Amino acid sequence: DAKTTQPPSMDCAEGRAANLPCNHSTISGNEYVYWYRQIHSQGPQYIIHGLKNNETNEMASLIITEDRKSSTLILPHATLRDTAVYYCIVRVGPMDTGRRALTFGSGTRLQVQP
Amino acid sequence: DAGVIQSPRHEVTEMGQEVTLRCKPISGHDYLFWYRQTMMRGLELLIYFNNNVPIDDSGMPEDRFSAKMPNASFSTLKIQPSEPRDSAVYFCASSPGIVLASTDTQYFGPGTRLTVL
Repeated sequence: DAKTTQPPSMDCAEGRAANLPCNHSTISGNEYVYWYRQIHSQGPQYIIHGLKNNETNEMASLIITEDRKSSTLILPHATLRDTAVYYCIVRVGPMDTGRRALTFGSGTRLQVQP
Repeated sequence: DAGVIQSPRHEVTEMGQEVTLRCKPISGHDYLFWYRQTMMRGLELLIYFNNNVPIDDSGMPEDRFSAKMPNASFSTLKIQPSEPRDSAVYFCASSPGIVLASTDTQYFGPGTRLTVL
């Protein structure tokens, strides 16, 4: 699975958009970008994933650059409850490999300020 | 659905004692994962099962660790004998077996915080 690089920490004002970058310059054509987050003392939680196109769900938007070497997770209106560690994970889809486990890096610690 | 259930939520034991962590995956999920999280090493995979069969145990640190999945609704992670360096939060996660080509979501339990004195 491709390696990812994320800033160790970020701050965001409550109500503003939080833009969390992820660099994955060695990503392969069959690898997806997944985002999970971990709120303090809880298990990781799936947020969103994408392959090439931008994606949006009820939690966030995922913007993937055209060359797929980087992506940005956008929380459109951050709240205090969004304070968490956000993990960007790049890996092949489940149909391409038997390996199903996730490899977590250090992530970005997002602190939403009131 | 109650989600992934883990027990106990907290465990404090003394070095040398046997520790058993338990997990109930989401009903209908075919994959079950055990992860461990420490400050030093972050979140790391220990082992995972598919349809109750261990698929990848390369993350199990040593023979003191063992995991079983006797049926689709229950798994255990056992440490015998336990050591202080085993202190960590242990997460269980499950994932559906029938997936779309682009979907591979894992659902995590609340974790068990283990402290070995």
